Amino acid sequence: AQSVTQPDIHITVSEGASLELRCNYSYGATPYLFWYVQSPGQGLQLLLKYFSGDTLVQGIKGFEAEFKRSQSSFNLRKPSVHWSDAAEYFCAVGPPGNKLTFGGGTRVLVKP
Amino acid sequence: SAVISQKPSRDICQRGTSLTIQCQVDSQVTMMFWYRQQPGQSLTLIATANQGSEATYESGFVIDKFPISRPNLTFSTLTVSNMSPEDSSIYLCSVAEPSYNEQFFGPGTRLTVL
Repeated sequence: AQSVTQPDIHITVSEGASLELRCNYSYGATPYLFWYVQSPGQGLQLLLKYFSGDTLVQGIKGFEAEFKRSQSSFNLRKPSVHWSDAAEYFCAVGPPGNKLTFGGGTRVLVKP
Repeated sequence: SAVISQKPSRDICQRGTSLTIQCQVDSQVTMMFWYRQQPGQSLTLIATANQGSEATYESGFVIDKFPISRPNLTFSTLTVSNMSPEDSSIYLCSVAEPSYNEQFFGPGTRLTVL
C-alpha cells in the first residue's frame, strides 16, 4: 500500500529565510510524487511533480524538490520565503491520472 | 488542463438532513474523484466516480452515506446523507486523465453541520 508521511505539522520561518519541508513516501513501484499548496480558503494548487529523470525538480513560485530514492524522500525547498508562502503544503504520491494518497500536511507560518 | 467548479461553495446544514454537491468540469475527463478534508486534516479519498457505473468507494466510506452519481464525462454529484456534525468538512472534487500527468482540484465545498 502506498503512504506518505510529512513529519512536520507546523513550521515557522522568518520572511527571507530558507524553507525545507520533508516528505517520506512508501510506494511499490516507481513513485509519482507531487507537492500541492493550499492557501487559506483556497483550493489545491500544484507546485511541482516528479515522475522520472532529473531528481531535482523545479516548480512554480520559486519552489524546488529533490527526489532521493535511497531515502524514500521528496523534500520541498525554497531559498527565500515570502509572506505569501504562508499556507498548508501537501505531499502526495500516486500514478498519473489516478487517485492520490496525501500526507498529513505541513502548515507554514511566515514571521515578518 | 481542466477547470473545475463546485456548487455550493459552502453551506450550513442541520443534522439529519442531506446535501448534494455538484462538480462540473470544462472538458471531458476519464477519472473523477471525491475527497474529504476534515478540519485541520489532510485529504482523504472518498470514492472514484465512474461514468455509467457505480462509484468505487475507499475503505471506511459507504454508498448509503455518500451516494455518488456520474451521468456523463463532465459532471458528478456527491450526496452527504443523514448528516452529523462529524461530517463538517471541505469536500473536494478532482479530475485526472493519464495524459494530464497531474490531478486538478475544484475549489471545494465547505460544509458545516449543526
